[in-house]
Formats: sequence, C-alpha cells, structure tokens
Amino acid sequence: AQSVTQPDIHITVSEGASLELRCNYSYGATPYLFWYVQSPGQGLQLLLKYFSGDTLVQGIKGFEAEFKRSQSSFNLRKPSVHWSDAAEYFCAVGPSMDSSYKLIFGSGTRLLVRP
Amino acid sequence: GAGVSQSPSNKVTEKGKDVELRCDPISGHTALYWYRQSLGQGLEFLIYFQGNSAPDKSGLPSDRFSAERTGGSVSTLTIQRTQQEDSAVYLCASSLGGGLKTQYFGPGTRLLVL
Repeated sequence: AQSVTQPDIHITVSEGASLELRCNYSYGATPYLFWYVQSPGQGLQLLLKYFSGDTLVQGIKGFEAEFKRSQSSFNLRKPSVHWSDAAEYFCAVGPSMDSSYKLIFGSGTRLLVRP
Repeated sequence: GAGVSQSPSNKVTEKGKDVELRCDPISGHTALYWYRQSLGQGLEFLIYFQGNSAPDKSGLPSDRFSAERTGGSVSTLTIQRTQQEDSAVYLCASSLGGGLKTQYFGPGTRLLVL
C-alpha cells in the first residue's frame, strides 16, 4: 500500500535559518506529490505540488521542494525561515491517476521558530 | 472570496449519540471531500463527491459513518452511535473539479466523544 513518511515530528529552527522538512513515499510509479501547511485554527493550505517535469518546484511563501526518484523523497526547503512559518507541515501523495483525489498524508512535522 | 466553512467548530458529545457535521464548499466547486485527522496522525480520506457522480465512499471506516451532499453544494457528515475512537478533527475540502485539482480545506470540526 502507498504510504508517506515524515520522519521528524518536531523541528525547531532559529528565525533566518534555513529549513528542510523530509518526506519519503512508498509507491511504485511516479506519484503526484504535495506539501500543505496548517496554521493554528486554519485549514490546510497548499504550498506546492509536483506532477511531472522539472524536479525542483517552487511554491508560495518562498518554499521549494525537490523530487528525487532515487531516494523516493520530496523534501521541502526554505532558505530563510520567518516566525510566521511556525505551523504544521504535511506531505501528501495522490496515488494514481484514477484515484488521485484520495490524498494520502504523512503524519506531519511541527515547525517551531526561535526568535 | 469566501473559503470552505464548517460547522460547528467544536462538538462534544456522549458515546452512543449521533452527530452531524456540516460543510459549505467554495461556491462553484463541484468536488467535495471529507477527511479525518486523529491526534498525532495525518489526514485520512473518508469520502469524495464529484458533481452528479456516485460518491467514493471507500474511506468511510464503518457503516456508522455516512455523508450526503444536497443540491451539489452543502454536505453533511453523519456519525451514528458515536464511539470514543471517533474523536478527531473532521476536515472538509472542495475543488473546482476532481482529480488533481487543488483541494481547498476548511478549518475543521473538532469532535470529542466522552
């Protein structure tokens, strides 16, 4: 069965430091990959998505992610974190063309930002 | 414009009672989704509505769970005879079409079953 693993439950970084959140997936074919952010009291917001083509994708709020087929990874990065980035981040997979809407989510990584 | 709205924002109920959770999707969005987010877990797909097609109910965990969508807009998720393990945040999303269209999420309903 397809699965998504986010190995880090919590990550703390200092404001202005760089950030990398890890995501690994288990899936035979090239999946459709997403990163969402959930701020307290807010719904999930799509940061970026990868379907095909250039393996480095740019998203909103200065985030980017790189698809690495050899590592089955889709890590999220940001060069300089702002205090407002403190939130929970979810990686998700749309498993196949027929059921791409049935997103499979990782368990999330909570980002804390030190002043 | 208005996003996806859900009501109530919080619901406390007693074990064995029925609950109804409501979702108002973004106007014009033909697809609607329900997910469940249990404590410390990612989101779990429950059900998908797209236009007039039969809903995909494959994620519903038991026959105590049901959902309907009236007039292609508002949706209600009903949980009958609630159990403590039903305690979770229930999230609704909508999209302009199905498939890989971006899903826009509501703030969720936090359900606590005592």
